Formats: sequence, structure tokens, C-alpha cells
Amino acid sequence: AQKVTQAQTEISVVEKEDVTLDCVYETRDTTYYLFWYKQPPSGELVFLIRRNSFDEQNEISGRYSWNFQKSTSSFNFTITASQVVDSAVYFCALSDSWGKLQFGAGTQVVVTP
Amino acid sequence: GAGVSQSPSNKVTEKGKDVELRCDPISGHTALYWYRQSLGQGLEFLIYFQGNSAPDKSGLPSDRFSAERTGGSVSTLTIQRTQQEDSAVYLCASSLGPDSPRDGYTFGSGTRLTVV
Repeated sequence: AQKVTQAQTEISVVEKEDVTLDCVYETRDTTYYLFWYKQPPSGELVFLIRRNSFDEQNEISGRYSWNFQKSTSSFNFTITASQVVDSAVYFCALSDSWGKLQFGAGTQVVVTP
Repeated sequence: GAGVSQSPSNKVTEKGKDVELRCDPISGHTALYWYRQSLGQGLEFLIYFQGNSAPDKSGLPSDRFSAERTGGSVSTLTIQRTQQEDSAVYLCASSLGPDSPRDGYTFGSGTRLTVV
């Protein structure tokens, strides 16, 4: 069975601080896909990144970076120099064979000026 | 269209009535998914359509829930004899599938269902 654990329920930071969101997953599949989504107060889910299980390269996109480690079944997400607009709920998700997407419980990020 | 379109955006219904929620996926996307998000909760998988294959209905919470996808495009989620616990935001997503090297699942804005 697939499982995604986001242990942090809420993280509060002051603008310009870095924030790292943890994601630990469980799957028996050798091929799987990991995702991060952002859900701002408007409610829409915004796709941030997809990582395939056979591609362990870390990735940086602007202030966002992702650290994928198969050895620890983790796919952590860091926001560098956070801004108020980063305030949102962030979901980590896992899919095998591109079917059902299993979401974690989400982490609420609150960035104050 | 440019994105996944869902209608209506809001729906208030009386307990016991049937409701239909509609999803227009991105043109060319072969996969379509329904999820629901209850207040303050995470996202719960409901059903998944992939091309002409039989849908994965493993997430439907009861036989009051059903969904169909016509012509491999538009999908309708039907909830019969609605109950108050059905109140949630129902989200639809579509995707090209794993052959697209960097694609994800694109979600619509959702339908907020309130059962009174």
C-alpha cells in the first residue's frame, strides 16, 4: 500500500527565512512518481514539480528546491528566502503507474512580514 | 481549453436530492481523476479514468456515488440522495500520463458542494 507522511502540520516563518517541508513516502513499487502541489487560500491546487523514481537528481527552480533521497524514502521541499505569497498549504503526493495519486495530509506554511 | 474546467463552482442542495458535477479536462489529456477535499482535510481519491480502460472506482465511498466519462472527454460525477457528510470541495484533474516527461496532474478549481 502507498502512504505519504507529512509530519509537519504547520510551519510559521518570518519573511526571508528559509523553510523546509518534509515528505516521507512508502511504496512497494520500483517505478513511481512523486509530486508537490501548492494550495493557496484561493483553493486551487498548483502543480510545482514531478520526480520519477529513477531520476534522483535534485532540482532547483528559483527559490524552490527539492531533495529526493530514495535511501530514506524522502522528497523534501525547501523554500529559500520565503515571501508572504508563499503562504499556502503544500501537499506531497505519490503515484504508481500513473494511477491513483496518494496525497499527504499537507503542511500549512504561514509567512509573516 | 487552457485548463481543467469544473461546473458549477458552487452548489447548495437539500439533503436527499441528487447532484451532478461536471468536469471538462484539458484537450488531449487521456487520464481524468476525481478527488474530494472536506473542510480542513486532505485530498481523498474517488475515481480514475484512463482512456478506454475500465475506471478505477476503488475510492468511491458508497454506491450513492457514480461517475462516467463520455467520449473520453467530459466527466460527470453523480451523488444520489445526498447526505450532509457529502459536503466538500470536489476536485477534478487530468493528465497526459507518464509518457509526458515533466507533466503533472492539472487540477480544476473545484465544485464546492454544501448539503443542507
